[in-house]
Amino acid sequence: GAGVSQSPRYKVTKRGQDVALRCDPISGHVSLYWYRQALGQGPEFLTYFNYEAQQDKSGLPNDRFSAERPEGSISTLTIQRTEQRDSAMYRCASSWHRGGTNTGELFFGEGSRLTVL
Amino acid sequence: AQKVTQAQTEISVVEKEDVTLDCVYETRDTTYYLFWYKQPPSGELVFLIRRNSFDEQNEISGRYSWNFQKSTSSFNFTITASQVVDSAVYFCALSEAGGYNKLIFGAGTRLAVHP
Repeated sequence: GAGVSQSPRYKVTKRGQDVALRCDPISGHVSLYWYRQALGQGPEFLTYFNYEAQQDKSGLPNDRFSAERPEGSISTLTIQRTEQRDSAMYRCASSWHRGGTNTGELFFGEGSRLTVL
Repeated sequence: AQKVTQAQTEISVVEKEDVTLDCVYETRDTTYYLFWYKQPPSGELVFLIRRNSFDEQNEISGRYSWNFQKSTSSFNFTITASQVVDSAVYFCALSEAGGYNKLIFGAGTRLAVHP
């Protein structure tokens, strides 16, 4: 597709379950980012990949959160043993077309809204 | 530590009024980037502008203009002759130099433009 695609758009789960959120970036984009946005707040950085390499995971709240991008394209953010405080909008963004100039513009997906009951 | 403050939580104006959204940032870096993003009611985040810390020239794009002042650590955004379609949440963000976009976002300002 033309834009960043995320799935599922909405996920309701029970406390203690694992969830996996998927991001399909813009084709050819080198960099992929995960952000989390709580209601009424700005997005908060979680982690970042260049190609398949996870360059920075300093924003992941704890070891229940992990992310991968094994082939340098699609990425999965996994939250194990979910807790109610994990409820938020999880946004993926991509940038920097291979061979192009890094303009600094992040292209965000529509997000995956996670609700943990 | 880096921080972005958007002191205005909500602003309400009538169409055709000019409106300025304030953004104040904190950073110890000498090289950094500043951004504005728009989040319309549909929820997506739309990039508006990026400026680097060495370029203090003001920028104008149609009805939008940005005023960057290092002396006051501010990067304010003005919409001239506002329109209903400008209604959205606007986020200011900061990133340090380093070749990637680990953005620190402010809490956002919700702008409501009424007919």
